[in-house]
Amino acid sequence: GENVEQHPSTLSVQEGDSAVIKCTYSDSASNYFPWYKQELGKGPQLIIDIRSNVGEKKDQRIAVTLNKTAKHFSLHITETQPEDSAVYFCAASNSTLTFGKGTMLLVSP
Amino acid sequence: DVKVTQSSRYLVKRTGEKVFLECVQDMDHENMFWYRQDPGLGLRLIYFSYDVKMKEKGDIPEGYSVSREKKERFSLILESASTNQTSMYLCASRPPTGQETQYFGPGTRLLVL
Repeated sequence: GENVEQHPSTLSVQEGDSAVIKCTYSDSASNYFPWYKQELGKGPQLIIDIRSNVGEKKDQRIAVTLNKTAKHFSLHITETQPEDSAVYFCAASNSTLTFGKGTMLLVSP
Repeated sequence: DVKVTQSSRYLVKRTGEKVFLECVQDMDHENMFWYRQDPGLGLRLIYFSYDVKMKEKGDIPEGYSVSREKKERFSLILESASTNQTSMYLCASRPPTGQETQYFGPGTRLLVL
């Protein structure tokens, strides 16, 4: 089955800096790669996703890149703000989602 | 907006009890999922359902069963709760095939004593 590795497990940045979270996947048949943000006490919420026929996607301060050959994809957050502090999960899907173990992002004012 | 609700936010049960976790979605989604979330392990799929009365095992189905009698409701059942089932349980739903986005409920934090 699919295996998704996510790094780093924790990430601390200063407000205004950029943050990058990286994931690798094992199943070359996976074709959908969402990123979820989970705030304390809440369920995960989709923030951005990318499909295998696209190399990059951007939504305001958030971008995701996908390298199908290397089987890795990354989340980039620019101009981080304290409200970006949360746990972020990557996932890969062929039919069901397989999640990474999560990255706790802390943005200090 | 899609709304996925879970019957309890917090639940405390004793070892050996039968436990029901309920999930309801209001968007007529065919697909529903149950995950458990543990620190350092991320989200792991327990069971999912593509339609009423249909169920499929996920990655960690042992010790669990599910029921989907109505399209909007997907129940997770712990037949005999054990301490290693103490966890956060998340329900999700998804529109028909071709749209992979899953929408999550707020989660139920279960403590088994």
